[in-house]
Formats: sequence, C-alpha cells, structure tokens
Amino acid sequence: DIVMTQSPDSLSVSLGERATINCKSSQSVFYHSKNYVAWYQQKPGQPPKLLIYAAFTRESGVPDRFSGSGSGTDFTLTITSLQAEDVAVYSCQQYYGTPFTFGPGTKVDLK
Amino acid sequence: EVQLVQTGGGLIRPGGSLRLSCAASGFSVSNNYMNWVRQTPGKGLEWLSVLYSGGSTYYADSVQGRFTISRDTSKNTLYLQMNTLRAEDTAVYYCAKSVDADSTFDSWGQGTLVTVSS
Repeated sequence: DIVMTQSPDSLSVSLGERATINCKSSQSVFYHSKNYVAWYQQKPGQPPKLLIYAAFTRESGVPDRFSGSGSGTDFTLTITSLQAEDVAVYSCQQYYGTPFTFGPGTKVDLK
Repeated sequence: EVQLVQTGGGLIRPGGSLRLSCAASGFSVSNNYMNWVRQTPGKGLEWLSVLYSGGSTYYADSVQGRFTISRDTSKNTLYLQMNTLRAEDTAVYYCAKSVDADSTFDSWGQGTLVTVSS
C-alpha cells in the first residue's frame, strides 16, 4: 500500500499570511504525465471537500489562494493570504491505485 | 446539482450486520465510480471500497469478505452491506463519487455514524 505522510501535524497562521503543508508518498504516484494526488479540506462535522486534484489543478469554485505543487513523491499545498474560513484540517490523498490512501491531516488554525 | 444523501448507521452489537444507503441525485451512480470511505479519530480517513461503472468492485483488506458494495440503478442508490461488525469498524462512513479511474472523490455524502458496541 502507498503510505501518505504529512507535515506539520498542525500549523498556526495569522490572517493574511501563508500556510504551507507538505505531503510525501511512499512511492511515486506519477503516471502518464499526471500525478495522482489530491488535497481535501475538512471542517468539523462536514465531509471532506476536494480542493486540488492531479497535484495542482484546482477544483471548480476553489479560491485561487489555494495552490498545489510537486511531483513524484513530494507535494505541497499552499494557502496564500489565509482567511478565517480556511481554518480546517487539510489532507492529501493518492488515487494512483487501490487501496486509495490518505495522509493523516494537518490542522490549520489562526495565530 | 450533484447530491449524495446517506441513510442507515446507528448502534449495532459486535458480530451484527448493517446496511448503509447513499441516494444520488444530479448524476447516475451507474455511470460513475462510487466509493465508501470511513473516518475515525484514530486512523483518519480510510478508503473502503469502490464500485466501477462497469461493475467491478475492490475492497480494502480491512473489510474484504465482510463488506459488500452494490448499487440499485432503478433507485440511483449505492449501498454498503456490512457484516460481522467489529468494535474497530466504529466510524463515520461516507459515500463519495469519482468520475473515472483518472479522477478522485469530487462529491461526498454527509456521513453517517456507525457505532459497534455491546
């Protein structure tokens, strides 16, 4: 199984500042010019919400302050200019193959 | 509008069975890849099963042989039959849709809590 790890476990960021979350897969999730990695945002009592897929493609309706980068085994989610509504847990996920696996999540809150 | 509405769940004794339902609207479950994912405080998000549009199914090792994913196209509904439930199956269960093998979970149900306890 592909193991997804994330760092840091939690992050405190001031309003308007940048948040950077890292994700690493135990093996490459790159295939046919595509990285099979997604990022989700989850708020308490809600299901996860897809933010980014294929490592850097924003889902429709997701603000452009959210961006994804990386390739192979190392990926990053960046939130530029953090807003109050961005307080949540962020998780990466690989869909390269079954079993699809998720990272443990990074909790982002306000400093 | 794409919507997934889950029913089922609740308190069940170890060894018991339960069926979760996920009613879809705004799209056809038979033309998409439908998944079940669960979440616990300790293990986080765990993918459980997928039902491909072509009918193939795949399961996580943790539920293989105990859980069965299925769909009813006439009701546009996805199911998860859970048998021989264990305490460690206690979690919030989500259904989630993906378009095909090249895409991931773009819509999720609201989640339903399953508690396995005597």
